[in-house]
Amino acid sequence: GAVVSQHPSWVICKSGTSVKIECRSLDFQATTMFWYRQFPKQSLMLMATSNEGSKATYEQGVEKDKFLINHASLTLSTLTVTSAHPEDSSFYICSASLQGSYEQYFGPGTRLTVT
Amino acid sequence: RKEVEQDPGPFNVPEGATVAFNCTYSNSASQSFFWYRQDCRKEPKLLMSVYSSGNEDGRFTAQLNRASQYISLLIRDSKLSDSATYLCVVTRRGFKTIFGAGTRLFVKA
Repeated sequence: GAVVSQHPSWVICKSGTSVKIECRSLDFQATTMFWYRQFPKQSLMLMATSNEGSKATYEQGVEKDKFLINHASLTLSTLTVTSAHPEDSSFYICSASLQGSYEQYFGPGTRLTVT
Repeated sequence: RKEVEQDPGPFNVPEGATVAFNCTYSNSASQSFFWYRQDCRKEPKLLMSVYSSGNEDGRFTAQLNRASQYISLLIRDSKLSDSATYLCVVTRRGFKTIFGAGTRLFVKA
């Protein structure tokens, strides 16, 4: 149980374009989903916390207009990287929590390369 | 100072060895504690939750010391497949989650 999927698993895009990443909880309803970014050999950095039906809470230093998060249902959250630049190239990982639990289950991640 | 600190390693141990990882956290309001395992270029996977009373799962034992704000993970009888990065994770009220930078473990035959 507690399976989280992400799509796409990898994407290459040109500078200036936008990329949407989907995160789905497959066998449970996730009231809270999280988006992380991980650069090579560094730890996961929380970008934002997303609650179904409300606006995401962004961490300090993360531009909400650049990283658009939508959590329209209890099983789906999306992250859109707008006007991507090469420095946005990273490993983006989502996670979801079961209601009432702090344990997080991670999606397999999306490797974004901006050329 | 980072909110969650871990020795980055790497720890190089032979198969069958016992290895211990430590983690300290600075925010006394932290509520939940976990160890995750992350393989190269993969997502983290929950290894175990950490409780003050201690938590054991097979060869893995985790311990929390709230007074010292210290978390440990002990791996007994190391296997080659235990090679990975082990992440100490601390959660505060409101789901604020902080990951440690991870400790790399290499288990050699």
